[in-house]
Amino acid sequence: DTAVSQTPKYLVTQMGNDKSIKCEQNLGHDTMYWYKQDSKKFLKIMFSYNNKELIINETVPNRFSPKSPDKAHLNLHINSLELGDSAVYFCASSQSGGNQPQHFGDGTRLSIL
Amino acid sequence: KQEVTQIPAALSVPEGENLVLNCSFTDSAIYNLQWFRQDPGKGLTSLLLIQSSQREQTSGRLNASLDKSSGRSTLYIAASQPGDSATYLCAVRQGGNQFYFGTGTSLTVIP
Repeated sequence: DTAVSQTPKYLVTQMGNDKSIKCEQNLGHDTMYWYKQDSKKFLKIMFSYNNKELIINETVPNRFSPKSPDKAHLNLHINSLELGDSAVYFCASSQSGGNQPQHFGDGTRLSIL
Repeated sequence: KQEVTQIPAALSVPEGENLVLNCSFTDSAIYNLQWFRQDPGKGLTSLLLIQSSQREQTSGRLNASLDKSSGRSTLYIAASQPGDSATYLCAVRQGGNQFYFGTGTSLTVIP
């Protein structure tokens, strides 16, 4: 059983398009995250979200928006894709509380043509 | 702003050797520090989490230490195996659900 699953695994699209990446976790966690890993393998948090609050990294463009239909899902919508959006996007989840480990999905590799 | 650095960036060792990976951070106001491994084309797998009040955590052949005041953590891997080959990342958690990752150490264990 996959704990944190993302779809699609690969996404190739053209500049200017709008796309979504889906994430689901079956761990019963109440907090989910989105990360971006650039070409140099550097991981940077984009959003964290639980049923109480959404915390947005201030460097994330407002073309990116998380949408959570329920506690087990946090999807990532991206509008007007740009070349610089090419990266691997990881979803993660954890139980709230300061000292709970995060569990990651396998990532979605987004390539902008 | 928190900065997390990992040295060395890459490490190659023969099988069976003990090794140490280093992680340093600039702001000691952290909740915890977590070590992960990342295999090619995969997500991150949590290895160990050390709370800010703890000095070390152990799991099997892995031992992680934390010296919060000096902004350092080490991951000790005993009797390394080829299956340990991966990129190892450390991450610190601060307030407001902020996580800061290091740049990783790419480990190759040679059979």
